[in-house]
Amino acid sequence: SQQGEEDPQALSIQEGENATMNCSYKTSINNLQWYRQNSGRGLVHLILIRSNEREKHSGRLRVTLDTSKKSSSLLITASRAADTASYFCATAPAGTASKLTFGTGTRLQVTL
Amino acid sequence: DVKVTQSSRYLVKRTGEKVFLECVQDMDHENMFWYRQDPGLGLRLIYFSYDVKMKEKGDIPEGYSVSREKKERFSLILESASTNQTSMYLCASTSGGSYNEQFFGPGTRLTVL
Repeated sequence: SQQGEEDPQALSIQEGENATMNCSYKTSINNLQWYRQNSGRGLVHLILIRSNEREKHSGRLRVTLDTSKKSSSLLITASRAADTASYFCATAPAGTASKLTFGTGTRLQVTL
Repeated sequence: DVKVTQSSRYLVKRTGEKVFLECVQDMDHENMFWYRQDPGLGLRLIYFSYDVKMKEKGDIPEGYSVSREKKERFSLILESASTNQTSMYLCASTSGGSYNEQFFGPGTRLTVL
């Protein structure tokens, strides 16, 4: 079964707005990662947050992690049309090296 | 730039055929993975390999086998393709350690008729 579940499944916003996606998971983790997938392509790594971190930034991306609620959120600020893609969270369960479990993804549509 | 390549972007095969999907990485990574991606199901791990000639089953290994004879190459084999194996197949690699990101290939969209 999938470890991570993203919410919402789909999100449509206008350019310039912020987009927030959430990920919930079930078991203890070493880290949580976010990936982006453009239509019909492979996944690209965006950001990694460790279990002892609460917040991390990378450019227009902000990721938070709440291990007590087993949840994470990805915020994309000032979105652009080029941000249109599917976004996946992936968890590295505690005690398991290198084996990630992916969620089902959030489809983000950014319109002009 | 790091690079993971897959032998085909699109592949059409007939039921019962033996299918080989090839993946090559140029980053000297120890770990390599094969996933399949289906709508509404996300990515599911088929097999992974943490060293040459080593392999471990993932979550959905039935109907698949793998081969890793060289560090840079990881092959996924469908011994007798079936229509329910129609899917997007993604290869990924990473260096050792659970804190590292995975690098993905562009994917192979396989259709089994």
